[in-house]
Amino acid sequence: AQKVTQAQTEISVVEKEDVTLDCVYETRDTTYYLFWYKQPPSGELVFLIRRNSFDEQNEISGRYSWNFQKSTSSFNFTITASQVVDSAVYFCALLANFNKFYFGSGTKLNVKP
Amino acid sequence: EPEVTQTPSHQVTQMGQEVILRCVPISNHLYFYWYRQILGQKVEFLVSFYNNEISEKSEIFDDQFSVERPDGSNFTLKIRSTKLEDSAMYFCAVQGTSGRDLRETQYFGPGTRLLVL
Repeated sequence: AQKVTQAQTEISVVEKEDVTLDCVYETRDTTYYLFWYKQPPSGELVFLIRRNSFDEQNEISGRYSWNFQKSTSSFNFTITASQVVDSAVYFCALLANFNKFYFGSGTKLNVKP
Repeated sequence: EPEVTQTPSHQVTQMGQEVILRCVPISNHLYFYWYRQILGQKVEFLVSFYNNEISEKSEIFDDQFSVERPDGSNFTLKIRSTKLEDSAMYFCAVQGTSGRDLRETQYFGPGTRLLVL
């Protein structure tokens, strides 16, 4: 079975703080992809990052970074020096069987000025 | 990112009415998807569509739902007889092909907010 768990329902930080969003996944597939999407108040889903199951190298892209740990089935996402515009709901998603996405329940991030 | 548009952006309908939601991907894509997000909840997979056929569907996608790509461009989701619980945001998605778009990545349209009264 495929499953994505985002235990943090809502997080509030003050601008310029770093914030990490947690994601734990379950899959029996050996090949899969993990994603983070951002959903601002306007409602659209914006693709942020992607990682495949064969590449555990963690990267930094601007203020975004991610930590993929297969041993703990986690794919955490960090925003450095958060800004008010980062306020949104963030979804972690798993793509298995190269077909459909399994989304987590989302983490609402509030960045206060 | 591939550009995906959806129409209408909002729709209000009476229970029992038929609605058609449209998705127009601006590029040559082969894989199409519909997802649903009930207010405040997570995004749920409805159906995937490849080569003019449904390739997979969820338990949500019952006989009230249908999809088609009638003119090779628009990709539609039809709900035959809407129910109150169909009120949600409906997202169309396309899979990246190649080049600048990442394969195995789904790019979402802006969504259609459906309200059934």
